Amino acid sequence: EDQVTQSPEALRLQEGESSSLNCSYTVSGLRGLFWYRQDPGKGPEFLFTLYSAGEEKEKERLKATLTKKESFLHITAPKPEDSATYLCAVRSGGGADGLTFGKGTHLIIQP
Amino acid sequence: DAGITQSPRHKVTETGTPVTLRCHQTENHRYMYWYRQDPGHGLRLIHYSYGVKDTDKGEVSDGYSVSRSKTEDFLLTLESATSSQTSVYFCAISPEGQNTEAFFGQGTRLTVV
Repeated sequence: EDQVTQSPEALRLQEGESSSLNCSYTVSGLRGLFWYRQDPGKGPEFLFTLYSAGEEKEKERLKATLTKKESFLHITAPKPEDSATYLCAVRSGGGADGLTFGKGTHLIIQP
Repeated sequence: DAGITQSPRHKVTETGTPVTLRCHQTENHRYMYWYRQDPGHGLRLIHYSYGVKDTDKGEVSDGYSVSRSKTEDFLLTLESATSSQTSVYFCAISPEGQNTEAFFGQGTRLTVV
């Protein structure tokens, strides 16, 4: 059974204070690891896809990295508008198609 | 934004009544999914479709059925709603399923009283 664990559950940072969110996963044949951002009352918004260990993707203040057991979402010099819940998900080669999600990290950036 | 429209956006219904949620896409993507999101559980897959009339079960399919008669529409039916089905339901679409990302709609908040 695929499992995704995100930590911390919640994180409060000052504006400009860089940090990292963690996503640990256990899957039978990784077909992709995905990061999403979710704002209150909205659907998840796609950010990145990573396929193999060592891969990195960047977008504005966000950078996602992948190892064989975990992924990190690095947030550099965050702004209040980066406040959201960040979700990690995996696709595996076994079982039903679809994504297996972690419970998310609720990020608050204080001005 | 991906062309995904969910309807209704909010619904309150009584225990034991049937309920149908609709997902409509304008992207012509082959794969469509229904998820539910609950506090403490994250997003969980209910059912998915890999083509017209081709559907399969996900992790939490009991009490739900789906239908897909056209590429653009994917319906989720609660045959007899229960309070445990109070949740936020999200539809998602994906161009090729395996290996590719999914794009989500804005959600339907369903309350069963």
